[in-house]
Amino acid sequence: DAGVIQSPRHEVTEMGQEVTLRCKPISGHNSLFWYRQTMMRGLELLIYFNNNVPIDDSGMPEDRFSAKMPNASFSTLKIQPSEPRDSAVYFCASSLEAGMLYEQYFGPGTRLTVT
Amino acid sequence: SQKIEQNSEALNIQEGKTATLTCNYTNYSPAYLQWYRQDPGRGPVFLLLIRENEKEKRKERLKVTFDTTLKQSLFHITASQPADSATYLCALPPHSGNTPLVFGKGTRLSVIA
Repeated sequence: DAGVIQSPRHEVTEMGQEVTLRCKPISGHNSLFWYRQTMMRGLELLIYFNNNVPIDDSGMPEDRFSAKMPNASFSTLKIQPSEPRDSAVYFCASSLEAGMLYEQYFGPGTRLTVT
Repeated sequence: SQKIEQNSEALNIQEGKTATLTCNYTNYSPAYLQWYRQDPGRGPVFLLLIRENEKEKRKERLKVTFDTTLKQSLFHITASQPADSATYLCALPPHSGNTPLVFGKGTRLSVIA
C-alpha cells in the first residue's frame, strides 16, 4: 500500500485566496483525521471522520475552514479566504477505526504558506 | 483542563547511551498512551502503545513505561544511534470529547556520533 497520500506537498498563496488540500487514506481504513502542526501549538486535530461522516470538528478554527469526505478514498480541507496565520503544515492521517487503541498513519503533509 | 507536557528542550546524547524522554499529563487518568516518531519534513510514525495495566512495554531497543500514580510515561532508547535522531511525540486520549488522541508537542532527540 502506498500509505496516506496528500497533495499538494507545498502550497504558497496570497492572503484572501482559496486553498484546497487533498487526502487519500489507506484503503480499508474507516477513519480519517486532519491535523495542523505549528511550532507554537504543536499538532492539533482539526476534524475527523468515521465512515465518511464528520464526528468531531471542534478543532476547526473558524468558518473559513471546511472539510468534506465524499467517499471512503478521498477527503478535502478547504480554507476560504486564507490568512497568513493559517501558514502551517497540514497532515492527514487514517486508521482502521476511530477507537482509542488504533494507531494512526500519517501522510507526508502539505506545507502551506500564506503571504 | 488536561495538559500534556514533554521536555520542551532538545535532548542531546552520545551514541551508545540510553536516551530517556518524558511525557507528563495532568488532571485525568488515560487508559492508554501512544508514542510516535517524527522526522523533519515527514508525518509522525507510530512506535508503541501501552495500556494503563501494563507497567512496561518493549520493542527492540525501545522501552516505554506508564506510571499512573506519577501520571508519567518514560520512553527509553537503549544503545542509541545517530539514526534515532528525531522528534518523539506522546499521544493520549482526551479527558473528554470524541477525539481519539491528543498529541504532546514532542521532544527533539539528537544522537551524536
